[in-house]
Amino acid sequence: DTEVTQTPKHLVMGMTNKKSLKCEQHMGHRAMYWYKQKAKKPPELMFVYSYEKLSINESVPSRFSPECPNSSLLNLHLHALQPEDSALYLCASSQATGAHEQYFGPGTRLTVT
Amino acid sequence: GEDVEQSLFLSVREGDSSVINCTYTDSSSTYLYWYKQEPGAGLQLLTYIFSNMDMKQDQRLTVLLNKKDKHLSLRIADTQTGDSAIYFCAEIGKDSSYKLIFGSGTRLLVRP
Repeated sequence: DTEVTQTPKHLVMGMTNKKSLKCEQHMGHRAMYWYKQKAKKPPELMFVYSYEKLSINESVPSRFSPECPNSSLLNLHLHALQPEDSALYLCASSQATGAHEQYFGPGTRLTVT
Repeated sequence: GEDVEQSLFLSVREGDSSVINCTYTDSSSTYLYWYKQEPGAGLQLLTYIFSNMDMKQDQRLTVLLNKKDKHLSLRIADTQTGDSAIYFCAEIGKDSSYKLIFGSGTRLLVRP
């Protein structure tokens, strides 16, 4: 099973809303990632969690707040977003940060109005 | 520096072979990957090649790596309409074992 699931599939939120994106994997992977993908562009890394600890923050604005409650779950809390934050948000996981195969979820399509 | 380049678009007829090309600049890359993204979907890891290999074959997929020219290609034999998607090549370096650097993606259109 190489499945990474993400909810919701689509999300529309206003600039004053607070919402969360969720990601789950049951492959026993200990590294999890958030990527942002704008239309017609490749994914860009946002955060990396390794063994439930934040190890990499690629200079992401604080209106994005990641959380890893346990080894299977990864959340991305959103607050006071801007319309330019509208994108596809992809979660991925790998056995560890040194393991090279990253498996991606289907993504959450976020629209900020 | 790290930079991965791909041509933007490729159109082939069903049943023909497709060849998608990629060039990269980081000679320390340890692994190079091909991902497939269908419309509205996430990325699917298709195949990868370790930097000490020249070729890898996996069913209809053949990956060729020319380290001297820093050139990677993906050949899809007997291309089907279901192969229509965006294909991203990506590299991971020995100094950044977590960070995938993606190319801009090649949109493959398979005509019936």
